[in-house]
Amino acid sequence: EVQLVESGGGLVQPGRSLKLSCAASGFTFSNYYMAWVRQAPTKGLEWVASITNSGGSTYYRDSVKGRFTISRDNAKSTLYLQMDSLRSEDTATYYCTALAYWGQGTLVTVSS
Amino acid sequence: DVVLTQSPATLSVTPGERISLSCRASESVDTYLHWYQQKPNESPRLLIKYASQSISGIPSRFSGSGSGTDFTLSINGVELEDLSIYYCQQGNSLPYTFGAGTKLELK
Repeated sequence: EVQLVESGGGLVQPGRSLKLSCAASGFTFSNYYMAWVRQAPTKGLEWVASITNSGGSTYYRDSVKGRFTISRDNAKSTLYLQMDSLRSEDTATYYCTALAYWGQGTLVTVSS
Repeated sequence: DVVLTQSPATLSVTPGERISLSCRASESVDTYLHWYQQKPNESPRLLIKYASQSISGIPSRFSGSGSGTDFTLSINGVELEDLSIYYCQQGNSLPYTFGAGTKLELK
């Protein structure tokens, strides 16, 4: 059974950092291009960042460029999102996804 | 950025009817267009990839068509379990973008 399990979300103050993890199982993680997609409360879906299967290339939306870092450890079948300098507008449920596979999401709330 | 415009925003449906949802791109995305279904408090579920390719485990009543800038998701015989929000997403050019969604509700 394919599973993507996110963790690391929570309440954080503006300007602070948080690191999300996504543990994958049930498929060959190293063969898949991975991404983080977020959804603010009651809003639509928004692509955040992507990483190639080898981890050699990464891509970000402009609003997180320079603040967020996507990475992966293929030996551990785990995807990461390091989020620095968090802003209130980063408040959302963050999903890790491999197009056909999605995690259950982890909620990040940025508030003082 | 490629803007995806979904229409209608809300569609009232009767079980059993055939419906079509539209997704129009502001520039060509070739066939790098995917459709998702999202129910309340659930993760998105991929329904159709690359405009028209079916996904294992997805009911055959769901189908997709189109290329370039105009795409359609069809549901042949809507069922009550299909009442949810549908999103299209383009994977042709960065930043990857989603449409605002079409909500299916019961008439």
